[in-house]
Amino acid sequence: KAGVTQTPRYLIKTRGQQVTLSCSPISGHRSVSWYQQTPGQGLQFLFEYFSETQRNKGNFPGRFSGRQFSNSRSEMNVSTLELGDSALYLCASNERLSGSRTDTQYFGPGTRLTVL
Amino acid sequence: AQSVAQPEDQVNVAEGNPLTVKCTYSVSGNPYLFWYVQYPNRGLQFLLKYITGDNLVKGSYGFEAEFNKSQTSFHLKKPSALVSDSALYFCAVRDIRGRDDKIIFGKGTRLHILP
Repeated sequence: KAGVTQTPRYLIKTRGQQVTLSCSPISGHRSVSWYQQTPGQGLQFLFEYFSETQRNKGNFPGRFSGRQFSNSRSEMNVSTLELGDSALYLCASNERLSGSRTDTQYFGPGTRLTVL
Repeated sequence: AQSVAQPEDQVNVAEGNPLTVKCTYSVSGNPYLFWYVQYPNRGLQFLLKYITGDNLVKGSYGFEAEFNKSQTSFHLKKPSALVSDSALYFCAVRDIRGRDDKIIFGKGTRLHILP
């Protein structure tokens, strides 16, 4: 089974710009979660999608948004970038068992975003 | 609200010695508990999980964790540490009865195995 793919791996943007990150989950997984990882705040939950519907959202401003397509691929978008948005953005492919909540998460390598 | 704590920012262990990385949690219902490891410039890798059943859970790379309901702990252990175990370890919890359907991660513990 192919793993979780995230593109691009590295990105450099300037303040005020916007960025779109992409995640392709493991084949057969219909749920995807996004996390922001920074040295100071650790891993913070951004949002979770299941079958194209946002199921949960973390405590991030509206500049952070996401979506999921019918093939389960997901994108997250950050508009009006700020210096503090510099982080590693991780996507997790969620192994969701029938009738239960998300079980094991399989993470991609992440996208390293640097905002100058 | 659910939470998870990893009380040690860093743990140093000599190669060949047993290691323990601590994790305590707080949930309103029954917990799903996970351990992940992160190597430099990599995403997180799943190590093991506790859902129900035996309190001692065995996972990848020789790691195991013990679920202790009375102490609300889920410490990660390995009988004999390897230098290659040096990495950042995350404990995570999901409350399977709560309305909050998120997985919450601890701050992480950096494990240094000294040769």
